[in-house]
Amino acid sequence: DAGITQSPRHKVTETGTPVTLRCHQTENHRYMYWYRQDPGHGLRLIHYSYGVKDTDKGEVSDGYSVSRSKTEDFLLTLESATSSQTSVYFCAITPGGSKRGSYNEQFFGPGTRLTVL
Amino acid sequence: GDSVTQMEGPVTLSEEAFLTINCTYTATGYPSLFWYVQYPGEGLQLLLKATKADDKGSNKGFEATYRKETTSFHLEKGSVQVSDSAVYFCALSGHAGNNRKLIWGLGTSLAVNP
Repeated sequence: DAGITQSPRHKVTETGTPVTLRCHQTENHRYMYWYRQDPGHGLRLIHYSYGVKDTDKGEVSDGYSVSRSKTEDFLLTLESATSSQTSVYFCAITPGGSKRGSYNEQFFGPGTRLTVL
Repeated sequence: GDSVTQMEGPVTLSEEAFLTINCTYTATGYPSLFWYVQYPGEGLQLLLKATKADDKGSNKGFEATYRKETTSFHLEKGSVQVSDSAVYFCALSGHAGNNRKLIWGLGTSLAVNP
């Protein structure tokens, strides 16, 4: 158990409303990631963070922003939700370490199911 | 760039059958390789990993061998159970300096019938 929680676990919202998803970890891991999972597309990286206030875009970042003001929290915001953002969102962390390959595995939260009507 | 290709599903097997899920990759350098499993309604869990050529990862009766000569990391299990029904993802760690991002296959759904 990597101590990762996500909130909310389920959310239904309307097109055009802002939505913020929270990922919380308890073990001071440096690297955190947000993915979305959709049928036929597998996992797609939205944004990631490599430290407090250090974030970067993934492959599907349009329409999303992130913030990381504390090590333990990584927030994903949909500024104006659209129906195409209906998805399951997963947060993940990578534990630290310097040995090549040994610490690159990721550990996942339970996910947030978001429906945009 | 780096990529992972998995066999398409769904795969349907009877209980106690032999399982193989193919995974091949393209990568520069020497990536680490991973298999993840996702049970219905849950997040992904690391199933096994291998960090260098010829390494064999194993867990819960599943095995995969890192074959650099064929750029493959096929997942196998000798006798599947109904409880193995899940989606399986193959992944590789990218080159050094990429902020530890993983490159993912699209997943293979497995259904095991009693």
